[in-house]
Amino acid sequence: GAVVSQHPSWVICKSGTSVKIECRSLDFQATTMFWYRQFPKQSLMLMATSNEGSKATYEQGVEKDKFLINHASLTLSTLTVTSAHPEDSSFYICSASEGARSPLHFGNGTRLTVT
Amino acid sequence: SQKIEQNSEALNIQEGKTATLTCNYTNYSPAYLQWYRQDPGRGPVFLLLIRENEKEKRKERLKVTFDTTLKQSLFHITASQPADSATYLCALDAGNNRKLIWGLGTSLAVNP
Repeated sequence: GAVVSQHPSWVICKSGTSVKIECRSLDFQATTMFWYRQFPKQSLMLMATSNEGSKATYEQGVEKDKFLINHASLTLSTLTVTSAHPEDSSFYICSASEGARSPLHFGNGTRLTVT
Repeated sequence: SQKIEQNSEALNIQEGKTATLTCNYTNYSPAYLQWYRQDPGRGPVFLLLIRENEKEKRKERLKVTFDTTLKQSLFHITASQPADSATYLCALDAGNNRKLIWGLGTSLAVNP
C-alpha cells in the first residue's frame, strides 16, 4: 500500500532556531501534500496544502513566513519552522493522497519541542 | 457554522462486543466521509471511505453507515479486540481543494 515517510519523528530545538521536517511519498507520486498540526486531545488542524512546483496554500491564521513549505518534487515536501518559539511545540503530521477524493496516507508525525 | 461532532467521552467495551462510534455533522453536504484510526504519537491510518450515495460499507470486522438525512455516520467494530483500542476520527470533505474537515475523535478502549 501507499506509504508516506516523515522525518524526524521527534526533535528538540532551542528557541530562535529553525527546524526542517521532511515528508516523502515512497511508492506513489503526490502532486499535493497536506501539513497538519495537532495539539493534545485536539482535532487535526490543516496548516497548508503543498503543491508540487508551486507555492503552498496556507490556511487562515497560519503564518507563511514562519512555516515555510517547499514541494520540490512529486515525492518530497518539506516544512521548515523558522525562528521557533515554545508555542510552536506541537505534533506536526504530513499526508498525501494518490488522487482527488482518495484517502489520505499519513506520515507518523514529528513531535517538535522548543525549549 | 459547519460542525462535526463525535462521541466526546471515551468508549469502554468488553472484548468480543460490538463497538459503535458516532459522527454527526451540521451545515454540510459532504460528498463522502472517511474514518481513520490514530494510535498515540502516530499519524492517522485510513480505514474506510463511504460516499453520499452509499448507505453502508464493510471491511472485515468494520462497518460504516452514512445517513445524509440524519447527517450522521456510524462506525461499528464487531467482535472487538484489545488491539482495536485507539482513537477513531471521522473526516468529511469540505467540497473544495480536497480539504478534509476532522472531528475530535473518539477514544475506544477494549478490555480483555
